[in-house]
Amino acid sequence: DSGVTQTPKHLITATGQRVTLRCSPRSGDLSVYWYQQSLDQGLQFLIQYYNGEERAKGNILERFSAQQFPDLHSELNLSSLELGDSALYFCASSPVRAGLETQYFGPGTRLLVL
Amino acid sequence: LAKTTQPISMDSYEGQEVNITCSHNNIATNDYITWYQQFPSQGPRFIIQGYKTKVTNEVASLFIPADRKSSTLSLPRVSLSDTAVYYCLVGDPGFNAGNNRKLIWGLGTSLAVNP
Repeated sequence: DSGVTQTPKHLITATGQRVTLRCSPRSGDLSVYWYQQSLDQGLQFLIQYYNGEERAKGNILERFSAQQFPDLHSELNLSSLELGDSALYFCASSPVRAGLETQYFGPGTRLLVL
Repeated sequence: LAKTTQPISMDSYEGQEVNITCSHNNIATNDYITWYQQFPSQGPRFIIQGYKTKVTNEVASLFIPADRKSSTLSLPRVSLSDTAVYYCLVGDPGFNAGNNRKLIWGLGTSLAVNP
């Protein structure tokens, strides 16, 4: 158990819909990352937040957005869903230490768009 | 942006030492090299991280040559439970890296350990 929690574990929805994925980082971790992993692809970095501020952006679509709240939990919003958005979505958190950064991953949310 | 290249798959037997090499020709001065292990339907798990030369912990060793254009993850005496996908990640973990930092994951190496 990494200490990172994600809800829901599974989500089934239809094309065109909007969903929200939630992540609670490890106690004390200020950074949260979001990743997408499809069957035929590796881990795709989407976005990172640090203490409520966006820190780095990866291959995140404009239909997707995220935020980190004052209590440090984060939400990833996926809208106008397409079939190709079906994937595992992972959240990770990391402590802030000078020079080193280890990411602790949650169990993931499996999204199926029908 | 440092792109990584790893073998797609490897096979080994229980008790053997496994070495997985990752190429990262465009590694930047501030980049660290981190390896993660991922089991099916689970999030990746940190294995080891290094900047140069050799790093060893209780589960693996990481060898990084002087030019840092590649790195090798060494798993001593693998067991069936080491069957997983191993990712090489190169990036700048610096706290002050700013919004230009990217996290680029390779496609991973699928390691199969046979009895």
